[in-house]
Amino acid sequence: AQTVTQSQPEMSVQEAETVTLSCTYDTSESNYYLFWYKQPPSRQMILVIRQEAYKQQNATENRFSVNFQKAAKSFSLKISDSQLGDTAMYFCAFIGPAYSGAGSYQLTFGKGTKLSVIP
Amino acid sequence: SAVISQKPSRDICQRGTSLTIQCQVDSQVTMMFWYRQQPGQSLTLIATANQGSEATYESGFVIDKFPISRPNLTFSTLTVSNMSPEDSSIYLCSVEGREGVEAFFGQGTRLTVV
Repeated sequence: AQTVTQSQPEMSVQEAETVTLSCTYDTSESNYYLFWYKQPPSRQMILVIRQEAYKQQNATENRFSVNFQKAAKSFSLKISDSQLGDTAMYFCAFIGPAYSGAGSYQLTFGKGTKLSVIP
Repeated sequence: SAVISQKPSRDICQRGTSLTIQCQVDSQVTMMFWYRQQPGQSLTLIATANQGSEATYESGFVIDKFPISRPNLTFSTLTVSNMSPEDSSIYLCSVEGREGVEAFFGQGTRLTVV
């Protein structure tokens, strides 16, 4: 079974600074996908960025980028120029190469990191 | 990305009653998913709903407690039956992305059982 670990329950960062959120995972799969989701107080889960395991290049979406270390099974999220609107829970998530079991969608989430951006 | 409308956004219910949560998608999707997020916790998959077939439930979740309907390719409902305070959670529906990989979520239903 896959597991996703986020070791930082809470973090804070000054506005306009850079912060890195950590995520490690465990899997025996060679091909898979990793995601970072953001959940602000509104509860809406928003996809921030995704990474395909077969791609060596780190994904980037505007101020958000990842450091994907496949051998180390590490997938950290860097937020540059932090903004007040970045305040949210951030969840790291994993999915294998195909739906496993009898049509079951095995998207596995970490426990989340609560990020606070301080003015 | 898909636009997902989930209703109600929140509700306070008496124990022993049932609540049906609706999820409407702006495009046809094969698979819809229901998650539970207990207070301060991560998301746990309840079940996967395919149109025209019975939902597939994850370990620890049963159809009698969480019946699901999927009458067409754009709509699904989750019912939380015979509620107890332990059912107080956020319930989220999601759909697969266009490439069949990532999931997109509705805005969630915050359920409080008193």
